[in-house]
Amino acid sequence: AQSVTQPDIHITVSEGASLELRCNYSYGATPYLFWYVQSPGQGLQLLLKYFSGDTLVQGIKGFEAEFKRSQSSFNLRKPSVHWSDAAEYFCAVGAGLTFGKGTHLIIQP
Amino acid sequence: DTGVSQDPRHKITKRGQNVTFRCDPISEHNRLYWYRQTLGQGPEFLTYFQNEAQLEKSRLLSDRFSAERPKGSFSTLEIQRTEQGDSAMYLCASSGPRWSSGELFFGEGSRLTVL
Repeated sequence: AQSVTQPDIHITVSEGASLELRCNYSYGATPYLFWYVQSPGQGLQLLLKYFSGDTLVQGIKGFEAEFKRSQSSFNLRKPSVHWSDAAEYFCAVGAGLTFGKGTHLIIQP
Repeated sequence: DTGVSQDPRHKITKRGQNVTFRCDPISEHNRLYWYRQTLGQGPEFLTYFQNEAQLEKSRLLSDRFSAERPKGSFSTLEIQRTEQGDSAMYLCASSGPRWSSGELFFGEGSRLTVL
């Protein structure tokens, strides 16, 4: 069965600092991997996805993620966060989208 | 607005009552999904339609839950004899005919509170 683990429930980062959100997955084949963001009162929005090819994928809002098969990871990164990045971030795997429990990102001024 | 719309946005009901949620997907999308999200959890897959055919149902979808998409456009999710454990956000998403685009477009959700 496929599963996703996001080890960090909450992360606090200062505005302007770099960010890395962790995601580990369990999947039987080459996975489809996604990162979604959910802001209060808004629907889930796709940040980026990985299907195949280049293991470093670029997304919207300056986010990127790197697929590492050997570590079963798909960590999300951003070099410099903005206050508007405060939200809930979900990693997901597979065609039917199995989601992790999410990481709540807090931005300190 | 051409996004996924859900109605109602919030429903408060008493235990034992029936509730129905509606989802209108993006018009050209033939795939429609329902998810449930509880506090502190990620969305959990409930069911999936391709056009009017319900192709997959999660074991989370008990016999009190039924979903339909009669004409391959909007969909309804009905919960009969609601229980307090049904309190959650019910999310609808749609995607286009080429799944390889990989993007599900989500609505803002329908929040159910069962008293």
